[in-house]
Amino acid sequence: QVQLQESGPGLVKPSETLSLTCTVSGASINFYYWSWIRQPPGKGLEWIGSIYYSGSTNYNPSLKSRLTISLDTANNRFSLRQSSVTAADTAVYYCARLNRGVAGTDAFDVWGLGTMVTVSS
Amino acid sequence: SNELTQPPSVSVSPGQTASISCSGDQLGDKYISWYQQKPGQSPVVVIYQDKKRPSGIPERFSGSNSGNTATLTISGTQTMDEADYYCQLWGSSTVVFGGGTKLTVL
Repeated sequence: QVQLQESGPGLVKPSETLSLTCTVSGASINFYYWSWIRQPPGKGLEWIGSIYYSGSTNYNPSLKSRLTISLDTANNRFSLRQSSVTAADTAVYYCARLNRGVAGTDAFDVWGLGTMVTVSS
Repeated sequence: SNELTQPPSVSVSPGQTASISCSGDQLGDKYISWYQQKPGQSPVVVIYQDKKRPSGIPERFSGSNSGNTATLTISGTQTMDEADYYCQLWGSSTVVFGGGTKLTVL
């Protein structure tokens, strides 16, 4: 059974960098796309970006200039760094597996529980 | 454009059929997934590749996609189906979510 677990600070100061890690268990990170999705309080889902196991990345154009998503294959995890945060970045951040490919579903088929990140001084 | 438009809310009586639309430019040319999200929980995929159901998703959930509109249909809606629903596509190497539809069963 594949499980994803987000970890990182719950409070980040404005203008600083948000850093989150997603640990994958029950499956190797060496396949699939691994993604970050966020949801501001009371609002809808927003895709942040995805990284393929090869290391290639795709980012939301509206956030791209502030984003870095990276893989840590030795520890079977991937990470998000989002710089210059503001109150608008306050949200629940989810990591998820995007199952693309010949035999894939083209859907986010496994999600973490999410972690709330608040941007405030 | 890869924008996806959903109605903010849909209401249905228990046992009736609920339909939630998702509209976008030439949507029928792309694969659509649908997610159910209950309060305080992570989203769960209920339909992928327009009309396929993951294992464990009840048969009352079905999907279609043609032209500029994809539709999630819930037949014999149950109170447990009350949730937010989101459509999603992968297009031009980016992911887009619809704004979400709150389904109320009453």
